[in-house]
Amino acid sequence: EDQVTQSPEALRLQEGESSSLNCSYTVSGLRGLFWYRQDPGKGPEFLFTLYSAGEEKEKERLKATLTKKESFLHITAPKPEDSATYLCAVGDTGGFKTIFGAGTRLFVKA
Amino acid sequence: GAVVSQHPSWVICKSGTSVKIECRSLDFQATTMFWYRQFPKQSLMLMATSNEGSKATYEQGVEKDKFLINHASLTLSTLTVTSAHPEDSSFYICSAPREGESTDTQYFGPGTRLTVL
Repeated sequence: EDQVTQSPEALRLQEGESSSLNCSYTVSGLRGLFWYRQDPGKGPEFLFTLYSAGEEKEKERLKATLTKKESFLHITAPKPEDSATYLCAVGDTGGFKTIFGAGTRLFVKA
Repeated sequence: GAVVSQHPSWVICKSGTSVKIECRSLDFQATTMFWYRQFPKQSLMLMATSNEGSKATYEQGVEKDKFLINHASLTLSTLTVTSAHPEDSSFYICSAPREGESTDTQYFGPGTRLTVL
């Protein structure tokens, strides 16, 4: 059964303090691994799609990497506006279905 | 970027009544839309896949007679929660891949907060 586990559940950082969020997954056949940002009371906002182990993608202060078992979302020198819940999801090759993790709530203090 | 809207953004209803939630793709066509439910501090759970012009596909454990889905056009899908009960209170979110793009890039609506009294 496809499964996505994110850690930590919550992360508190000082502005400028770099860190990483983890997403461990099990899937029968990986169609893609997705990262989203979700602000309170809003729908998720697409960040990245990673398709194969070794792939990396960057956007501003965020960098996503992928291995065969997990993905990391690295946040470099975060700012308070980076505070949000970051969701990881996987799609398997069997169809459209996407399985989401519970998310990591990130708080960045000025 | 592609825009998906939902209406209403929040709704409060009495137990036993029905509530309709609309999901619209504003600047693109979507033959497929997805409906999710999210409880506080929990993950998004896929409820059903809405297909334009055909019946929706429901996930295991989701009652199709309770959560009616209609995808009448390439830009509109509706979710009707029939005979709503307090346990149906949740955040309902729709998403859609843009026609011609990979289905991996899903554009999410802002969500609808349903509270059943």
